[in-house]
Order: sequence, then structure tokens, then C-alpha cells
Amino acid sequence: NAGVMQNPRHLVRRRGQEARLRCSPMKGHSHVYWYRQLPEEGLKFMVYLQKENIIDESGMPKERFSAEFPKEGPSILRIQQVVRGDSAAYFCASSPPGQGLREYFGPGTRLTVL
Amino acid sequence: KQEVTQIPAALSVPEGENLVLNCSFTDSAIYNLQWFRQDPGKGLTSLLLIQSSQREQTSGRLNASLDKSSGRSTLYIAASQPGDSATYLCAVRMTTDSWGKLQFGAGTQVVVTP
Repeated sequence: NAGVMQNPRHLVRRRGQEARLRCSPMKGHSHVYWYRQLPEEGLKFMVYLQKENIIDESGMPKERFSAEFPKEGPSILRIQQVVRGDSAAYFCASSPPGQGLREYFGPGTRLTVL
Repeated sequence: KQEVTQIPAALSVPEGENLVLNCSFTDSAIYNLQWFRQDPGKGLTSLLLIQSSQREQTSGRLNASLDKSSGRSTLYIAASQPGDSATYLCAVRMTTDSWGKLQFGAGTQVVVTP
């Protein structure tokens, strides 16, 4: 069973461009979480999704950021019109259906905005 | 609002010494608590998960204790090795978010010198 996969591992964008980060959860996992780790800071929750539903987006910036987890295919975190402050490591985690179960984290996507 | 604090922020010990890492949280209404390891440029690996009803969990050289009433958890690593060098993160899941997000501390960066 492959682990959580994220791609790309490294992404460079210029200010104003769009960034698309992909996350493929582990097989059998229907819960996906996105976290952001800014330089020298801890991980901050962004959004929690189940298939075709956003359950909790309380950590998402109000503008430019969106997330989806379609019925088929990976979860996507989309950042429009990136700014330098968006430079960070973005981690995806998945867990099986169930309450309070252990999450499995992907290797992260490191976004650099020039 | 839950605040998760990890002290110290950094720790350096000679090989063979025992490691003691501390995590405190302000709101005791937690569902569970996890300890993670993060290697530079890599994702997170879950080390131990303690349910709120438990006092401790053990895995090999690792032991984590939980005192929910005082808002504290301690991770002990016995007989440290250079391979234990990493950043250790503590994360709590709240009872009100038992299906959802983790709240992380900023981490303790550990260096074990040969």
C-alpha cells in the first residue's frame, strides 16, 4: 500500500501565477487534510475534506486559496495569484473513515514564490 | 483557543543520553495527542498516539506520557542515537474536532552528537 503521495515535490512560481498542489491519499482513506508550514513555524491546519465535500475550511485564507477532493482523482489545493508570503511547505495527510484515527502524512510540496 | 507549546525549542545531547521532550496545552478537552518526527525536507512520521483516556504509550525506545488535567505530555527517548536527530512535533486533536484537524506545537529540534 503506497503512502500518501504529493506532487510536485518542489514548485517555483512567480508572483501572480497560479499554484496547483496535488495529494493522492492512501488506498482506502477518504479523509484528506491540508496543512501549511511557514519557515521557522509549526504546521497550521488549512482544510479538511472528504470525497466531494469540504468539512472544515476554518484555516484557509479567505481569498486566493481553494481546495477540492473530487469523487475520482487526487485532492487539489489551488492558490491563485501567488505572493511571496505563500512560500511554504504544504503537507497533505489522509486517514481512513472513523473518529480520531491516525493520519498519514505525505512528503510535502515546497512552494517558492519568486 | 487551544495553544500548544513545546519546550525546549532546541536540544543537543551526546549519544547514549536519554531525551526528554515536553509539550503543554492550554485546553484539556482533547480527544487524543500525537507525537511526530520530522526530518529536514521530509514529511511527518507518527511516532505515538495517546487517547485521552490513556496515561502513556510505548514503542521500543520511545515512551510518551499524558497528564490531561495538567495539560502536559512528555516524550522520552531512551539511549539516544545520532539517527534520532530530527524535529519532534506534538499535536492535539480536540474533542470538538474528533473527526478533524490537529493543532501542532512549533516543535523541538533535537541533535544527538556521536
